[in-house]
Amino acid sequence: GQQVMQIPQYQHVQEGEDFTTYCNSSTTLSNIQWYKQRPGGHPVFLIQLVKSGEVKKQKRLTFQFGEAKKNSSLHITATQTTDVGTYFCAGPGGGSNYKLTFGKGTLLTVNP
Amino acid sequence: GAVVSQHPSRVICKSGTSVKIECRSLDFQATTMFWYRQFPKKSLMLMATSNEGSKATYEQGVEKDKFLINHASLTLSTLTVTSAHPEDSSFYICSVSGAFDTQYFGPGTRLTVL
Repeated sequence: GQQVMQIPQYQHVQEGEDFTTYCNSSTTLSNIQWYKQRPGGHPVFLIQLVKSGEVKKQKRLTFQFGEAKKNSSLHITATQTTDVGTYFCAGPGGGSNYKLTFGKGTLLTVNP
Repeated sequence: GAVVSQHPSRVICKSGTSVKIECRSLDFQATTMFWYRQFPKKSLMLMATSNEGSKATYEQGVEKDKFLINHASLTLSTLTVTSAHPEDSSFYICSVSGAFDTQYFGPGTRLTVL
């Protein structure tokens, strides 16, 4: 079945440093989504990328979708303590029931 | 996006009892809802897809007789953990299927079985 892999599993940075998490799918995706889960919280939808090679920005966050639509990345510039949390990528799981296959997530911790 | 609530947020129960968790879509008619389970510092494990007015679709390895799902209306899905045991202790999260495959999650229910 479809697999979505994410690296790294953990990343610890000093406040102000940049951070990147990478996502790879075993199959071509129609779209890829990113979610953020704060410690003790629930996943919150961040963004969806649909087009091959698409790049979207949300303030200090930059999301990319690969040309082959099998990989994606999330880059945070100048991290802040508010960026702490686990970032998940997810792709449609196939079929018509709208389910998603989530990566294992990258836990980001930021040292102030 | 959709606003999703879950009740209760925390529940502690004795081994052998059943626990019902409610998931409500407050501002969106949800034909499809999902139930996930998450262990500490782990990813989301999809348990089942809840379809309004029909039987839920369970993922491989999830016992349908243990985790009963009912989706009786477009705004409410329930997950009942029957005869709960300590190994069922976990964080249970529901989500609502939004536009273009996106999902909006409830705040989760932390279940502790003693």
